[in-house]
Parts: sequence; C-alpha cells; structure tokens
Amino acid sequence: GQQVMQIPQYQHVQEGEDFTTYCNSSTTLSNIQWYKQRPGGHPVFLIQLVKSGEVKKQKRLTFQFGEAKKNSSLHITATQTTDVGTYFCAGDENDYKLSFGAGTTVTVRA
Amino acid sequence: EAQVTQNPRYLITVTGKKLTVTCSQNMNHEYMSWYRQDPGLGLRQIYYSMNVEVTDKGDVPEGYKVSRKEKRNFPLILESPSPNQTSLYFCASSPQPSSYNEQFFGPGTRLTVL
Repeated sequence: GQQVMQIPQYQHVQEGEDFTTYCNSSTTLSNIQWYKQRPGGHPVFLIQLVKSGEVKKQKRLTFQFGEAKKNSSLHITATQTTDVGTYFCAGDENDYKLSFGAGTTVTVRA
Repeated sequence: EAQVTQNPRYLITVTGKKLTVTCSQNMNHEYMSWYRQDPGLGLRQIYYSMNVEVTDKGDVPEGYKVSRKEKRNFPLILESPSPNQTSLYFCASSPQPSSYNEQFFGPGTRLTVL
C-alpha cells in the first residue's frame, strides 16, 4: 500500500533561521495536504497542493509539490517561536484513504 | 461554532471492557474518519466513511468497529480493548465524500488500556 515518508523527524532551529521538511511517497498522489499540530493540540489544515510542480506561499511558509507528484516540501523562513509544533504531510492516492507521514517536530531556540 | 467534538477526551480502561468513543460534527460534512496517533508513527487511518451507511477500512482497522447511521455521528467502538490500543485518537470530517479536501479534526481522545 501507499507509504508516505517524512524527514527529518526532528528539527531544532535557531530563531530567525530557515528550515525545510520533506515528504516522499512510494506512489503518485492525487494531491498532498499539510497540517500543523501544536503541542497538546489537534492537527490543523495548512494547505493543499494538487498540480504537478505547484508552489504555494503562506507568509513565511513555502510549499512545493514535485513534478512527478510523489514528493513535497515545506520551507519556513525566519523561524519564529510561533512555528513550534509538528508538521505533517498527508498523501491522497485514491480520494478516500489519506496517508500521513510521521511528522517533523520543530523546536525553536530563542 | 462549526466543530468536531469527541467524547470522552480522556479514558482509562481495562483489557476486554467494551468502549465507545463518540464523534460528532455540526458542519453537514459527508466524509468522516478516525485516526490514531502514536509517537514516531504519525497519524494512521483506522476507518473512514464517505456517507451515511458507507464505511471502509483504513490502514489499521483490526480491533475496531465503526458505524455511520446519521450524517453527523461516527462512533468508534472497541469491542475488546487491548493494551496495544493505548493511543491518542482523532476524529476528522471533510465536506465532500472523499479525503480529497481539508480535514477538520476533533480535539482528540487519549485512551489508556491497562
């Protein structure tokens, strides 16, 4: 079955620095979704990417969908303490089953 | 307020004692799903439902049952809980009858099976 791998598992970032988290699927995806979960909270939807090569930006966050629709990345610039949390990608292969990556847990050093 | 609610939020039980975790959404969403979250494994889908009376297995359905008798409710049933079902459980819903769209998550239910 479909597997979604996410790296790194942990990201320790100095405040103000940039970082990237990567998501790779074993199969072609119809779309990919990104979620953020704050400590003690529930996952909250950030964005959905649908088209091959698509790039979307949300303020300091840049999301990319690979040309083959099998990988994606989230890049955060000028990290702030509000960026703390776990970021999940989720791949949708057949429009019914959503497979989540294991997540990247981000901590920020002030 | 548009939301997904889950009850209970916390539950400690013993092996073999049947339990139900309720999930309800007030957004008239078609699609509902249950996930479990374990350290290092992310969110794994247990069951999903595309509409009333239509359910199907996710990636980890063993030991769980669901039903969708009404659009707004999607209870998760553990007939005979075991310690390996100790986990954080999330219910989610989505407007369309597929997982193609944004998932709205409930607050989570932390279950401990002794």
